[in-house]
Amino acid sequence: GDSVTQMEGPVTLSEEAFLTINCTYTATGYPSLFWYVQYPGEGLQLLLKATKADDKGSNKGFEATYRKETTSFHLEKGSVQVSDSAVYFCALSEPPDALNFGKGTSLLVTP
Amino acid sequence: KAGVTQTPRYLIKTRGQQVTLSCSPISGHRSVSWYQQTPGQGLQFLFEYFSETQRNKGNFPGRFSGRQFSNSRSEMNVSTLELGDSALYLCASSLTSGASSYEQYFGPGTRLTVT
Repeated sequence: GDSVTQMEGPVTLSEEAFLTINCTYTATGYPSLFWYVQYPGEGLQLLLKATKADDKGSNKGFEATYRKETTSFHLEKGSVQVSDSAVYFCALSEPPDALNFGKGTSLLVTP
Repeated sequence: KAGVTQTPRYLIKTRGQQVTLSCSPISGHRSVSWYQQTPGQGLQFLFEYFSETQRNKGNFPGRFSGRQFSNSRSEMNVSTLELGDSALYLCASSLTSGASSYEQYFGPGTRLTVT
């Protein structure tokens, strides 16, 4: 079945460092791919999405490109801030459309 | 526009009891999905309702059930609670169902503790 694999955390970075969180997926068809973020004590928020190969999703300085050839959707940000500290989830959706999440990667950004 | 609301936010129950959680979707959203989040298993899909009909179901025992009302509000019920049911239960709403690119908007969750 479909699955999503994320790099294990926690990831600790200094403010203004470059961020990469790896995500690879297994799917039988052509899924849509998502990154969600969960701040402490809150539900999940959609960060960005891509619906077909070579699409690039972007939001709040975060980017991810849908790479069908490598079945990947890595999350990147050029300069992280303390406020980016959260748990990040990679997810895919393929008919019949239930979101399938990775285990999550905890990010801590220190001043 | 108000977001997804879930009640209650926190709940403590005893093994063997049953519990009902409530979710009010964003106005105009007709699809409601439920997820269970635990440290060990991560986020797991429970079920989705659209227009009062269950559209999809995850791999959970029959003790977990849900329903959706005509105003799109949804409830989930867990009967005969077990310690392993302790989790954060998240509800998500979206405009419609059947299109994988539609965004899901999540509520803050209900933290259920079973003792």
